[in-house]
Amino acid sequence: QSVLTQPPSVSGAPGQRVTISCTGSSSNIGAGYDVQWYQQVPGTAPKLLIYGNSNRPSGVPDRFSGSKSGTSASLAISGLQAEDEADYYCQSYDSSLSGFRVFGTGTKVTVL
Amino acid sequence: EVQLVESGGGLVQPGGSLRLSCAASGFTFSAYGMNWVRQAPGKGLEWVSYISSSHTTMYYADSVKGRFTISRDKAKNSLYLQMNSLRAEDTAMYYCAREGFDYRVENHYYYMDVWGKGTTVTVSS
Repeated sequence: QSVLTQPPSVSGAPGQRVTISCTGSSSNIGAGYDVQWYQQVPGTAPKLLIYGNSNRPSGVPDRFSGSKSGTSASLAISGLQAEDEADYYCQSYDSSLSGFRVFGTGTKVTVL
Repeated sequence: EVQLVESGGGLVQPGGSLRLSCAASGFTFSAYGMNWVRQAPGKGLEWVSYISSSHTTMYYADSVKGRFTISRDKAKNSLYLQMNSLRAEDTAMYYCAREGFDYRVENHYYYMDVWGKGTTVTVSS
């Protein structure tokens, strides 16, 4: 089980805003490590959505936004669209792990 | 076009070995750290291993340490993962991912910004 916990699923109607939480601890997010977010449409490779807690790579719509506070981070999707239906993963670093890098448990976003 | 293409996956018996490759193109391979990430069927992403751009630093997840070895070849623009003593729980899609970076005055950011399509490893008798 990952040290970064996400809700298994969230859902929303088209146009609505949904948020996904990523809960860590004092050895990862709470230690100041940055958080990244990835989107994975089933059957395809993950895609970088947010890096450094709140930065969007070029080409990522501004409907996606990230934030971090304390031992948690969040990804918000505003103006939900059918194409946003996918799995979302947070990723950070943990000083208690030999390899440091760790992904969250993943969240399935369903567009109703 | 920036691209990563994995190969080398397949069916192997428990206790066997396999070597995965990842061919990079469209960017200066030697300037980037590289990662292997895997995903078991129906499961989430699991980070496996990292190697720095200079080859000097390697990290492994506890689940593969002592069994897997990451390496890279600058001349061939390729990343490798040697997998030994394979177990059923190593069955997964294996992705290679570039470790991109954004150096700013206030912080240095690192992230996995380019991913291959993956290669499937099945460990079964």
